[in-house]
Amino acid sequence: AQSVTQPDIHITVSEGASLELRCNYSYGATPYLFWYVQSPGQGLQLLLKYFSGDTLVQGIKGFEAEFKRSQSSFNLRKPSVHWSDAAEYFCAVGLSGGYNKLIFGAGTRLAVHP
Amino acid sequence: DAGVIQSPRHEVTEMGQEVTLRCKPISGHDYLFWYRQTMMRGLELLIYFNNNVPIDDSGMPEDRFSAKMPNASFSTLKIQPSEPRDSAVYFCASSLTLDRAKEKLFFGSGTQLSVL
Repeated sequence: AQSVTQPDIHITVSEGASLELRCNYSYGATPYLFWYVQSPGQGLQLLLKYFSGDTLVQGIKGFEAEFKRSQSSFNLRKPSVHWSDAAEYFCAVGLSGGYNKLIFGAGTRLAVHP
Repeated sequence: DAGVIQSPRHEVTEMGQEVTLRCKPISGHDYLFWYRQTMMRGLELLIYFNNNVPIDDSGMPEDRFSAKMPNASFSTLKIQPSEPRDSAVYFCASSLTLDRAKEKLFFGSGTQLSVL
């Protein structure tokens, strides 16, 4: 069965530090991969997505993610975190074959210390 | 466009009462999704519609839950009777047709439901 694992429930970083949020997926076919961010009291917003081609994808707000097929991973990175990045981050896999059904990971809550 | 609009933002009700959550998708989007978010289970897809027709309701937890989309600009999720374990944040999302597996979802701000 398809699944998405985000091993870190909570992460705390200092402002200006680099960030990497982990995501592993289980899916037999070529995955469509997404990172969404949820700010407190808000809905989810798409940060970036991977379908094919270059395995390093750039997103909004200075985020990037790298697809590594051999590791079944799609980790999210940012070189320098801002206080406004504090939020919950969700990795998701889109199932090919016909319809827009996303399987979400459990999320990683990011706290940023000044 | 105003985005996906959900109402109410917060709903507090007593066990046994009927609850109706509302959603207005982005104009022109053919797909509408209802998700539920809880601490225990994370984000779960409850049901989705294509051109106002329910396509996959396998995520609807039980018969107490029902969803309708009478037209392209409005959908409801109803819980009758409500139970405390239904307390969660309910999100509505919409997307364009295009390549559906690749298309990003636009989420509403959610309805925080508390059943006492």
